[in-house]
Amino acid sequence: GDSVTQTEGPVTLSEGTSLTVNCSYETKQYPTLFWYVQYPGEGPQLLFKVPKANEKGSNRGFEATYNKEATSFHLQKASVQESDSAVYYCALASSGSWQLIFGSGTQLTVMP
Amino acid sequence: EAGVTQSPRYAVLQEGQAVSFWCDPISGHDTLYWYQQPRDQGPQLLVYFRDEAVIDNSQLPSDRFSAVRPKGTNSTLKIQSAKQGDTATYLCASSFRGARAEQFFGPGTRLTVL
Repeated sequence: GDSVTQTEGPVTLSEGTSLTVNCSYETKQYPTLFWYVQYPGEGPQLLFKVPKANEKGSNRGFEATYNKEATSFHLQKASVQESDSAVYYCALASSGSWQLIFGSGTQLTVMP
Repeated sequence: EAGVTQSPRYAVLQEGQAVSFWCDPISGHDTLYWYQQPRDQGPQLLVYFRDEAVIDNSQLPSDRFSAVRPKGTNSTLKIQSAKQGDTATYLCASSFRGARAEQFFGPGTRLTVL
């Protein structure tokens, strides 16, 4: 079946440093890929839908890229802020299903 | 535009008790999803509807769980005879034109079963 693997566990960074979160996926269907962010006590918020392969998407200073050949996608931010502290999830929707499959999440803590 | 609303925000039960969760999706969204999110894990789909029809409820944990969306708008998820293993946050999400569309989540109901 379809699956998503998020490789980073908890991450602690200092303000102004860069962030990269990596995900890989498996599906036999055409994938649609998403990044969500979840703050304490809230539901996941859509950060953005990842654009087509080899194109970059961006929102709130975050950028996403997608490598179709490697079946992987990545979230990056050049300079994190304390307000970016949250859990970041990658997610997959395949063309054969209406279901979102989430990765295990990356807890980001940004120290001032 | 109002987002997805859920109630209650918190529930604490003894094992064996029943509980219902209510969800009001974004106006105009035809597809509604219920997810279970155990602590420190990603959301896992339980059931989803397009309008009033159940599209897939095969991932509901057992016959203790049921969900309805009778008029294709609001939805209720019910747990009969709750167990400690049901402790989790229950999230509702909605989207327009379901498959692979962006899903928007409510704040969730945090359930603790003692």
